[in-house]
Amino acid sequence: DQQVKQNSPSLSVQEGRISILNCDYTNSMFDYFLWYKKYPAEGPTFLISISSIKDKNEDGRFTVFLNKSAKHLSLHIVPSQPGDSAVYFCAASWGTGANNLFFGTGTRLTVIP
Amino acid sequence: DVKVTQSSRYLVKRTGEKVFLECVQDMDHENMFWYRQDPGLGLRLIYFSYDVKMKEKGDIPEGYSVSREKKERFSLILESASTNQTSMYLCASSGPGGGGIYEQYFGPGTRLTVT
Repeated sequence: DQQVKQNSPSLSVQEGRISILNCDYTNSMFDYFLWYKKYPAEGPTFLISISSIKDKNEDGRFTVFLNKSAKHLSLHIVPSQPGDSAVYFCAASWGTGANNLFFGTGTRLTVIP
Repeated sequence: DVKVTQSSRYLVKRTGEKVFLECVQDMDHENMFWYRQDPGLGLRLIYFSYDVKMKEKGDIPEGYSVSREKKERFSLILESASTNQTSMYLCASSGPGGGGIYEQYFGPGTRLTVT
């Protein structure tokens, strides 16, 4: 059973607009959340993370929001650029064991010039 | 920059063959991981290792084994390849730092086809 869900397999956004990628989770023990970005023919690269003690973390054009009561995570990209076109995976973890990291299925973002 | 390299980008093997997938990282990371990525299933952990000669099972270890004889190298072994092991295999490593074990650096992946 998927503990981390990305219900939108794909998203298209115009260049310059905001991209919002969503992620839902089921396990209330998750306390650390991450977003990875994956280009074709490359492995995922770490993008941004957030601890459960925060509700927002910002890094340049990327902001991750955490709503613990709704068990919902979102990644905002503003402004979107064509180079942001990639597959985005959210991941959630608890504790410190490698077995405790769970990935979503990914959302393919296409930024249209 | 952390670099994680995988021995092959594409591999085609026959059912029953023994398959070795090699992964090398150059950042002296303690932790190394093997995942497989399948459509609709995300990344699933096969095996991981915290240190040389140490290994731990992940979520889907059946049909796989691993070897870590040196800190920088982590090998995934398919003892007898089967068609349901056709997948993209991703190696990753992580070390001490802000995100610890969870901020992982991935290799480019090996797309394995078993016929």
